[in-house]
Amino acid sequence: EPEVTQTPSHQVTQMGQEVILRCVPISNHLYFYWYRQILGQKVEFLVSFYNNEISEKSEIFDDQFSVERPDGSNFTLKIRSTKLEDSAMYFCASSGLAATYEQYFGPGTRLTVT
Amino acid sequence: AQSVTQPDIHITVSEGASLELRCNYSYGATPYLFWYVQSPGQGLQLLLKYFSGDTLVQGIKGFEAEFKRSQSSFNLRKPSVHWSDAAEYFCALKIKAAGNKLTFGGGTRVLVKP
Repeated sequence: EPEVTQTPSHQVTQMGQEVILRCVPISNHLYFYWYRQILGQKVEFLVSFYNNEISEKSEIFDDQFSVERPDGSNFTLKIRSTKLEDSAMYFCASSGLAATYEQYFGPGTRLTVT
Repeated sequence: AQSVTQPDIHITVSEGASLELRCNYSYGATPYLFWYVQSPGQGLQLLLKYFSGDTLVQGIKGFEAEFKRSQSSFNLRKPSVHWSDAAEYFCALKIKAAGNKLTFGGGTRVLVKP
């Protein structure tokens, strides 16, 4: 069964450093997403990406965040200057085109900012 | 804005007993509704979804959910729980024709006693 993969599983970084979280979506999917879950809080939508551009983003997704699909397989989330409050589990997901298509989630990257 | 509430943070159930997880949503029309499960170290896996039609939907792993418009609810049920059902369960919604982002509830952690 196809699956979404994410690397690394755990990332520790110092405040102010840049981090890149990586995801490999399911190969024939067209929509890509990032969500995050701060410990003890809800899973929150960050951004969706389609046809090489952002299709929707939340208010959380400010200028310190960016997404990229650098090649035909990877989808990345970059945080330019990490803050303590960026510590969270970050989930990547992908789906087909129609609104009724399921979003498949990866196992997540736990980001710890110290 | 839309929201999802899962009133129970933790539920403990004996193996073989029935399970019901509550989900209430707030939105002016009928959204698409989903239940996801997250086992430790795993990503979010879709159990079932409701788009329209029959209000009782069947999912994987023996789960079912019933959509009740009058109560704005989408409760998840399983008649007989197995030890492997111990996990965290998330209810989510998506607004029709308004992008693909999922709005999640806070999750319910299920513990299964032998």
